[in-house]
Amino acid sequence: AQSVTQPDARVTVSEGASLQLRCKYSYSATPYLFWYVQYPRQGLQMLLKYYSGDPVVQGVNGFEAEFSKSDSSFHLRKASVHWSDSAVYFCAVSAKRGSALGRLHFGAGTQLIVIP
Amino acid sequence: EAGVTQSPRYAVLQEGQAVSFWCDPISGHDTLYWYQQPRDQGPQLLVYFRDEAVIDNSQLPSDRFSAVRPKGTNSTLKIQSAKQGDTATYLCASRGPGLGNYAEQFFGPGTRLTVL
Repeated sequence: AQSVTQPDARVTVSEGASLQLRCKYSYSATPYLFWYVQYPRQGLQMLLKYYSGDPVVQGVNGFEAEFSKSDSSFHLRKASVHWSDSAVYFCAVSAKRGSALGRLHFGAGTQLIVIP
Repeated sequence: EAGVTQSPRYAVLQEGQAVSFWCDPISGHDTLYWYQQPRDQGPQLLVYFRDEAVIDNSQLPSDRFSAVRPKGTNSTLKIQSAKQGDTATYLCASRGPGLGNYAEQFFGPGTRLTVL
């Protein structure tokens, strides 16, 4: 069965500290991978995506993510967080082919709280 | 460029009542998605269109939910007889034409539905 797991429902970090939000997926073949962010009372915004090539991809606002095929993971990182990064972060996958083509499958999300 | 717009932003109704949600995608975007996001969960795809055609409605509870996009632009999602379990935020997203499934989906702010 296809699934996206974000094991941490909530992460609290101090401003200026580094960050890693974890994501693991279970898919029949390597899918397209995404991270989205949702600020309060707003829609989701894409931070970055991976579809092939260099396993480390850069996104907006200093975020990056690393794809690992062996580990079926796509963890999000940031070297130094700011209080404005407080939001809910979603990992998502999309099939490259087959019946699930075109559908985004989201994890449950990780709420990031940045303490000033 | 205007983003995806949705209305209403909030809706509160009693069980058994009907409600409609309206979405205006980004101009020129041919693919439109409706997601249901229960509280503290990730969005779950209900239905998506390419132009006016339904591509996938396998996750839409067909006995009470319906969705249309008659001219391939705006879309309406309707719940015929709401249940408490329908309490969630309903998100609309759109994607530009001719792009692969790794392309970004742009989300609206959502409609927060509460069924009492």
